[in-house]
Amino acid sequence: NAGVTQTPKFQVLKTGQSMTLQCAQDMNHNSMYWYRQDPGMGLRLIYYSASEGTTDKGEVPNGYNVSRLNKREFSLRLESAAPSQTSVYFCATTANYGYTFGSGTRLTVV
Amino acid sequence: EDKVVQSPLSLVVHEGDTVTLNCSYEVTNFRSLLWYKQEKKAPTFLFMLTSSGIEKKSGRLSSILDKKELFSILNITATQTGDSAVYLCAGGPNFGNEKLTFGTGTRLTIIP
Repeated sequence: NAGVTQTPKFQVLKTGQSMTLQCAQDMNHNSMYWYRQDPGMGLRLIYYSASEGTTDKGEVPNGYNVSRLNKREFSLRLESAAPSQTSVYFCATTANYGYTFGSGTRLTVV
Repeated sequence: EDKVVQSPLSLVVHEGDTVTLNCSYEVTNFRSLLWYKQEKKAPTFLFMLTSSGIEKKSGRLSSILDKKELFSILNITATQTGDSAVYLCAGGPNFGNEKLTFGTGTRLTIIP
């Protein structure tokens, strides 16, 4: 089925550890996004990529890096995880008429 | 800074009631307002509105946009327990294919 695949679904990190969240879409869309969702804060944009080879900061980019590896894949890296990065992370893609979201990654930093 | 505000934050009603969810926005170069439903996992797309005064309908759900007053409403009639979810509103500068600014959502609970 066409869509957006995120891995892993769950992750627990210790403060200071690093990890990469993976996202792949098979919808042949140019734009891809990383959002985080926290209680009472809604969805906030971390980084986005309008096309292969380009990335731009969103509202809350500090502590994150991204790579648009090819048209299909857009990864999010935490170099040194902090408890404030405990959140649910969603990858999304869009062509026209709204986003298609991945199923999310629930990340806990202890 | 772009801003989308939803009200109420939460709402509890009985099955069969009608509910109205509100969304106001201040979005630079605004062109589209989108509604999403989020149950346990990822948000799913409901509507996109781009023109003022035109109602979009899908079954018991309908939505309208007022570009002069910068708000949108989402109506759900004859509510069912399956309507229980968080409803998200988002505004953007294009037709849903560029970065969106989301509200914090309205949590709707339907009591049988």
